[in-house]
Amino acid sequence: AQSVTQLGSHVSVSEGALVLLRCNYSSSVPPYLFWYVQYPNQGLQLLLKYTSAATLVKGINGFEAEFKKSETSFHLTKPSAHMSDAAEYFCAVTLNSGYSTLTFGKGTMLLVSP
Amino acid sequence: GAGVSQSPRYKVAKRGQDVALRCDPISGHVSLFWYQQALGQGPEFLTYFQNEAQLDKSGLPSDRFFAERPEGSVSTLKIQRTQQEDSAVYLCASSLATPQGTDTQYFGPGTRLTVL
Repeated sequence: AQSVTQLGSHVSVSEGALVLLRCNYSSSVPPYLFWYVQYPNQGLQLLLKYTSAATLVKGINGFEAEFKKSETSFHLTKPSAHMSDAAEYFCAVTLNSGYSTLTFGKGTMLLVSP
Repeated sequence: GAGVSQSPRYKVAKRGQDVALRCDPISGHVSLFWYQQALGQGPEFLTYFQNEAQLDKSGLPSDRFFAERPEGSVSTLKIQRTQQEDSAVYLCASSLATPQGTDTQYFGPGTRLTVL
């Protein structure tokens, strides 16, 4: 079984500031990890994914995430926030072993102020 | 290119009514998933199809929920005798291959169901 915990239902940053969205996972076998973004009234869009290659993963729109096995974490970062980054972000996990479905966290709403 | 589409985008039903939600996956995608997203929550898995075969329905909350994909393309999620707790956004996703972990799921915009 696997699970995801996202710390903070809301995160507020100023435009140009560092974005840090936290994700911790629990998994019985090595995981694959994903970050999705959801804009209002839209479906989820994949930002990036970790599939056991490089631990530092770069995604779209300047986001990146680092897999840290010792901390069971996969935090999402962006050096400089833009107004267009305001959205809800979901971390998800699946198992690196045969058939497995995606398990999502509860999401973190990112608010960006001018 | 065409992505995953869902219809209707919004559905209001009276308690007890039956509803049918449609998903058109990306052409050629083998795998199709349904998720339920309650307000303020992340998506939760409902069911999975590989072509026309429903291989996993472990997430369906009750026997009032039924899904089909008869020709391995379009899928329909049906909810019978809707209840207020069924109010949620229903998301459909498709992926090119079978879910061995790394395959990206592409999501549709969802159907927002409100049961009065």
